[in-house]
Amino acid sequence: EDQVTQSPEALRLQEGESSSLNCSYTVSGLRGLFWYRQDPGKGPEFLFTLYSAGEEKEKERLKATLTKKESFLHITAPKPEDSATYLCAVQVNAGNNRKLIWGLGTSLAVNP
Amino acid sequence: NAGVMQNPRHLVRRRGQEARLRCSPMKGHSHVYWYRQLPEEGLKFMVYLQKENIIDESGMPKERFSAEFPKEGPSILRIQQVVRGDSAAYFCASSSGTGNTIYFGEGSWLTVV
Repeated sequence: EDQVTQSPEALRLQEGESSSLNCSYTVSGLRGLFWYRQDPGKGPEFLFTLYSAGEEKEKERLKATLTKKESFLHITAPKPEDSATYLCAVQVNAGNNRKLIWGLGTSLAVNP
Repeated sequence: NAGVMQNPRHLVRRRGQEARLRCSPMKGHSHVYWYRQLPEEGLKFMVYLQKENIIDESGMPKERFSAEFPKEGPSILRIQQVVRGDSAAYFCASSSGTGNTIYFGEGSWLTVV
């Protein structure tokens, strides 16, 4: 069964304290791995898509990396406005199937 | 959230009533998805539609739930005879025909009382 697991469930950082969030997956065939950010009461906001092992993408203080079994979201020198839930999802290679399979997210709090 | 428009944002229904949630995809997008998010649970896929076609409804409950994406107008997720367990946030998302990136709306929060 296709599965996505995120860790830790919650993370509290001081402003400027870098860290990484993990997303491990077991799927039959990976079409893409997606990172989203979700604020309370809002919809998921797209951050990155990664397609193959070794791929990396960056945006401001965020950097996403991908291996054959997991992805990391590295947060460098976070600010309080980076506080949110970070969601990981995978899209499986299966014909017309485009659905995303989601992890439960990592709730990040950055203290000033 | 890139222009996917959902309404209403909040909806309260009594048990047994019908709920209709609307979604206008991002401009240029012809693929629409509906997801449900329950408190303390992850997002769950419900249905994937293209104009006038249901492509994948494997996540839709067999009864009371239906979805459409007509040639003209928004996509509609319809829940008949709502029960308390239907209370959740319902997210619509869209993508283009060639790209894989899926963009989400702000959600419709359904409360069944």
